[in-house]
Amino acid sequence: GNSVTQMEGPVTLSEEAFLTINCTYTATGYPSLFWYVQYPGEGLQLLLKATKADDKGSNKGFEATYRKETTSFHLEKGSVQVSDSAVYFCARSGAQKLVFGQGTRLTINP
Amino acid sequence: DVKVTQSSRYLVKRTGEKVFLECVQDMDHENMFWYRQDPGLGLRLIYFSYDVKMKEKGDIPEGYSVSREKKERFSLILESASTNQTSMYLCASSSPDMYNYGYTFGSGTRLTVV
Repeated sequence: GNSVTQMEGPVTLSEEAFLTINCTYTATGYPSLFWYVQYPGEGLQLLLKATKADDKGSNKGFEATYRKETTSFHLEKGSVQVSDSAVYFCARSGAQKLVFGQGTRLTINP
Repeated sequence: DVKVTQSSRYLVKRTGEKVFLECVQDMDHENMFWYRQDPGLGLRLIYFSYDVKMKEKGDIPEGYSVSREKKERFSLILESASTNQTSMYLCASSSPDMYNYGYTFGSGTRLTVV
């Protein structure tokens, strides 16, 4: 079936550390891939997306590359800030619905 | 920008009450969705709708119903609230071109049933 598997959290890093949150998907066809971010007490916001293989989505210093050969869409940031503390969700397009991963809670300490 | 507005950020209701959670979007989106979010369980789809007066069950519809009388409004109804329905509820909308644009979410309603 269609599913999304994310790195289990929680993840705790120090400010300015390098971040990777892994995401892999199963799919038939060629889905679009998304990362959403949820700040405390808020709904989800679209962070970045990629719609075809080898596309790189980027926003606010975050990047993710659509890797068809490894069915992955890992989220990276070179230097995290305390304000990046949030829950991050990977998602893929499905039959008129998005399929979400379980979410990864990220905490950045000063 | 698309706005999805959920009528309440926080609600406290008593067991057995009938509860209405309202969601309104302002971009003429066809598709609307209700999820609940619980620690360790991620997002779980309750109901969704692709058009006015149309509804489809998601993964956990038991104990819930929905209403979509107008395109912009999608209401989630808890017929008789129970404590296990205490949760964060998230509404989302999308155009049919979800492939390119994904969903837009509301800010969420945190419901406590006592």
